[in-house]
Formats: sequence, structure tokens, C-alpha cells
Amino acid sequence: QQPVQSPQAVILREGEDAVINCSSSKALYSVHWYRQKHGEAPVFLMILLKGGEQKGHDKISASFNEKKQQSSLYLTASQLSYSGTYFCGVNFGNEKLTFGTGTRLTIIP
Amino acid sequence: DAGVIQSPRHEVTEMGQEVTLRCKPISGHDYLFWYRQTMMRGLELLIYFNNNVPIDDSGMPEDRFSAKMPNASFSTLKIQPSEPRDSAVYFCASSESGTIQYEQYFGPGTRLTVT
Repeated sequence: QQPVQSPQAVILREGEDAVINCSSSKALYSVHWYRQKHGEAPVFLMILLKGGEQKGHDKISASFNEKKQQSSLYLTASQLSYSGTYFCGVNFGNEKLTFGTGTRLTIIP
Repeated sequence: DAGVIQSPRHEVTEMGQEVTLRCKPISGHDYLFWYRQTMMRGLELLIYFNNNVPIDDSGMPEDRFSAKMPNASFSTLKIQPSEPRDSAVYFCASSESGTIQYEQYFGPGTRLTVT
């Protein structure tokens, strides 16, 4: 039931764009996105709800395709501060999250 | 608010010893979650509570692990006896309400090393 994230790792130059995908084999009620920097706790980015709209703030946005049980996180004009590991956490209609394996994003100057 | 508080931040113990991890959730949050993070298994849910009541402990690895929430502001995760394979970072998280719509706030974690 663990969602699959792709790619596993990506290296970008500052200013480039990235897309991180999260796929589930089971129907989803919501998708949460978190970012974790090395040695720190995961930090919440956004939630996408079933039937909801695409969300975003600053240059980070996300979409949720209910039919395909997929979510994508878009990082535009990446900044050094975007470096970290990104996790999607999926909800199957209960009160808990199942986290994906993570995507390690490295931004170089 | 101070956020989710966990203690200790680091714990080194010998195999066979009892380990107790502590968590104080954000005031007013009804849900509390315990996670374990390792390189091999990623971030996995161990147990969660709603209004101090354990709801789902299906992620607890075995009987050596136990968790309690005696009141709304305190929870413990105990490992007895500890084994080297328990070495991991343990996170506590809390949320205002159900996870479908509400974000989880993570504590700083406890890095456990069992030698």
C-alpha cells in the first residue's frame, strides 16, 4: 500500500524546475506533501483533497488526479532552500497517512 | 505554541535495556501519531491516538513496543527490551483533527541508537 514516488533523486541547478510524482494502487482521499531537511523533522507543505483544486504557494504547487490515484508536486524556479527529501503521504479514508519512499532533491548554485 | 516537543533528542543504550521516548503534542490537537524512520523502511506509522485512546497499533513491530497516552498533553513510547534493529529516528506528530483534511505537525524526533 506504500505509494511509489518518482524520481528517487534529482539534481537541479538553481532556477530550474522539477516535478515529483506520487502514485498509489489504492483509491485516495487526500494527499499530503512534506519536505524534510537532513537531520530535521518533516515539514508540511500542502494537502490535496479528493475533489479539490490544485494548490500552491510561492513557487511550489501540486495536483491530484483522482482517476489515476496520482499526485504531482511542481517546483518552479528552484531555490537553494528547496533542497531536501520530499515525501507524499496518502490517506485511504481513515485517519492515518502512509508515506512514500521519498524523493531527494539537491539544488546546486 | 512551542510545537510538538520530544525528549530525549538522542538516546544511546545497550541491547536489552528499556527505552522510553516522550512526546508532548500541540495543545488542542486531538490526534497523536508515533512514527519510526529508517533508511531501509522509510517513515512508517507505529500507532496513533485519538483523544488519548489508541486507535490503530497495527504498525507496532512486536510486543516489545508499547505506547500510552495518559492525558492530552503527554504520550510515551516504550521499548523493552531494546535490540540493535530498533535503532532509528522516532517522530511524534499531532494534528488538530482527522488526517484526511488536517496537516500533521512533527516533533524534532528522538535518535535512538541501540548497541
